[in-house]
Amino acid sequence: DIQLTQSPSLLSAFVGDRVTITCRASQGISSYLAWYQQKPGRAPKLLIYVTSTLQSGVPSRFSGSGSGTEFTLTISSLQPEDFATYYCQQFNSYPFTFGQGTRLEIK
Amino acid sequence: EVQLVESGGGLVQPGGSLRLSCAASGFTFSDHYMDWVRQAPGKGLEWVGRTRNKVNGYTTEYAASVKGRFTISRDDSKNSLYLQMNSLKIEDTAVYYCGRVSGSSWDKSFLDCWGQGTLVTVSS
Repeated sequence: DIQLTQSPSLLSAFVGDRVTITCRASQGISSYLAWYQQKPGRAPKLLIYVTSTLQSGVPSRFSGSGSGTEFTLTISSLQPEDFATYYCQQFNSYPFTFGQGTRLEIK
Repeated sequence: EVQLVESGGGLVQPGGSLRLSCAASGFTFSDHYMDWVRQAPGKGLEWVGRTRNKVNGYTTEYAASVKGRFTISRDDSKNSLYLQMNSLKIEDTAVYYCGRVSGSSWDKSFLDCWGQGTLVTVSS
């Protein structure tokens, strides 16, 4: 199975900061990576798919990049509503796997 | 509006069975592959499995942790997805989400819509 490792697991930042979350795969997954945002008590929400394509309705301050085994999610200027947990998921090969999550908290 | 609504969660004893349902609306359900994903209390997301559509024979894929115990099925006439869970273990305790796979007839695809989840608690 493909393992996804996110770093950091916990990120503290101020409103307005630029932050980056990294997702590393244990083997190459081409560009078949998605990012989801989850707020407490809510279902995950798709942010980005195929590494860098922004889901409709997602603010442009979110962006994704990478290929192969290393991927990043960047939020260019944090807004109060962005404080949540973020997960990457590979959909290159079964079983599909998620990273362990990165909790983004207000500093 | 695309909507997915799970139901059927509850408390069940170890070794027991439970069947979850996911009612879909707002899109052509029969076109889409569908997934189940779960989340243990305070933990991360775990992909459970997938059912393909009729064109692809309703074939399924499962995570190793549930293979042989869980069965995913669907009834396109009712726009419904199911998860039959047998031989339940304490570690199956989780919120179970159904999700719509984006596009159609394509394995390498992600979830673009999720239900609100239903809680399954396995305990004696």
